[in-house]
Amino acid sequence: EAGVAQSPRYKIIEKRQSVAFWCNPISGHATLYWYQQILGQGPKLLIQFQNNGVVDDSQLPKDRFSAERLKGVDSTLKIQPAKLEDSAVYLCASSDSGRGGEETQYFGPGTRLLVL
Amino acid sequence: DQQVKQNSPSLSVQEGRISILNCDYTNSMFDYFLWYKKYPAEGPTFLISISSIKDKNEDGRFTVFLNKSAKHLSLHIVPSQPGDSAVYFCAALYGGSQGNLIFGKGTKLSVKP
Repeated sequence: EAGVAQSPRYKIIEKRQSVAFWCNPISGHATLYWYQQILGQGPKLLIQFQNNGVVDDSQLPKDRFSAERLKGVDSTLKIQPAKLEDSAVYLCASSDSGRGGEETQYFGPGTRLLVL
Repeated sequence: DQQVKQNSPSLSVQEGRISILNCDYTNSMFDYFLWYKKYPAEGPTFLISISSIKDKNEDGRFTVFLNKSAKHLSLHIVPSQPGDSAVYFCAALYGGSQGNLIFGKGTKLSVKP
C-alpha cells in the first residue's frame, strides 16, 4: 500500500513570495490533515478535512494560508505572501474512516520550506 | 502554553538497556495518548497508544504507562537497539476531538552500540 505522498520535498523562497504544497493521501482515506512543524517543536495542526469538507481550521492563519481538497482526494496548501516565520516542515497526514479521533494518522515525508 | 511537555530534549542509552521517555500533560480532558517515532527526513510514524481507561499497553519491546493522577506517561523500550535511535513525540487527544493531535516537542533518543 502506497503511503502519503507530498511534493515538493524542499522549497526555498524569498519573503512575500507565494508557495504551494501538494499532498496525496493513502487511497481511500477520508480524513486529511496539514501540520506545521517548526524546528525544535512538535507538529501543530493547521487544517483538517473530512472528504472535501473542512472539519477544523481554527489554527490556520487565514490571512495568508489557504488549503483545499477538491474531490475529497488530494490537497494543496498555499502560503501567500510568505513570511520568515513560515520556515518549517509542512506535514500531511491521512486517516481511514473519517471519524478522526483515535484512529491512526499516517504521515507523509513532509515539505521543508525555507523563507529568506 | 504547552499542553503536552517532553522535558528531556535528548536521551542516550546503551544498546540492550532500557530506554525510558517521559511525557507530562496539563489538560485533564485528554483521554487518548500516542507515541510517534520520527527518523530524519521522514514523517512521524505511529508507534503505540493508550486510552485513559488503561494504565499500561504493551507491543513487543515497547510499553506505555499512564499515570492519570500525575498527568504523566512514559514509553519504555526494552531492550534498546541502535535502530531505535530517532526523535520520539508524545501526542494527546481530548474527548470528542476529531483528530487534533497535540504534540510535545519531542525527545531525541540515541542508542549506542
